Amino acid sequence: ETGVTQTPRHLVMGMTNKKSLKCEQHLGHNAMYWYKQSAKKPLELMFVYSLEERVENNSVPSRFSPECPNSSHLFLHLHTLQPEDSALYLCASSQAGQSSYEQYFGPGTRLTVT
Amino acid sequence: AQSVTQLGSHVSVSEGALVLLRCNYSSSVPPYLFWYVQYPNQGLQLLLKYTTGATLVKGINGFEAEFKKSETSFHLTKPSAHMSDAAEYFCAVSDVWGGSNYKLTFGKGTLLTVNP
Repeated sequence: ETGVTQTPRHLVMGMTNKKSLKCEQHLGHNAMYWYKQSAKKPLELMFVYSLEERVENNSVPSRFSPECPNSSHLFLHLHTLQPEDSALYLCASSQAGQSSYEQYFGPGTRLTVT
Repeated sequence: AQSVTQLGSHVSVSEGALVLLRCNYSSSVPPYLFWYVQYPNQGLQLLLKYTTGATLVKGINGFEAEFKKSETSFHLTKPSAHMSDAAEYFCAVSDVWGGSNYKLTFGKGTLLTVNP
């Protein structure tokens, strides 16, 4: 595997389910990100893990819970989601500490909440 | 905080025509600027970036962008569009977040359609 991978690619879940999204980067980076991409809205940064420190966006509801067990893996745990949470969830990675460093994105998980 | 404005949510060109996708930014410090492309059902792929130095930046697939500080712009161009260029394009600026971390602030995207 190369680059940034995400599983599953598609997920349908009910509002009472609990599921997790997985992201893995094979680039030797030390920062990882979760973004939400909804139709007709800019990409929204949800969470950042940088040098194993979690940096939170305070506007993210608590029904989204990230986990970063090491610098290569990132999870997004989902529970009691709402239909408006349906979106494409993108994971990205980069080298931490430099604003000039680009981010590398995975293919995304298309989430549908029913 | 930085912000990015992409003029035109949808641009349509003919195959072989010039592609021009507009991006303006607001930044209180010298910006680092990026263009990404997203093909259907895929993630974002970096086209090019401007950090320092030459203001005309060349990227992949024949695209280039010019940083114009006086106009706070970073427009993306390609001399001759190919059918394979049909995709959504995102302009982004790097921004500090959470003290010492960096994030990308994205524009809303421009969907490029290429007509045969």
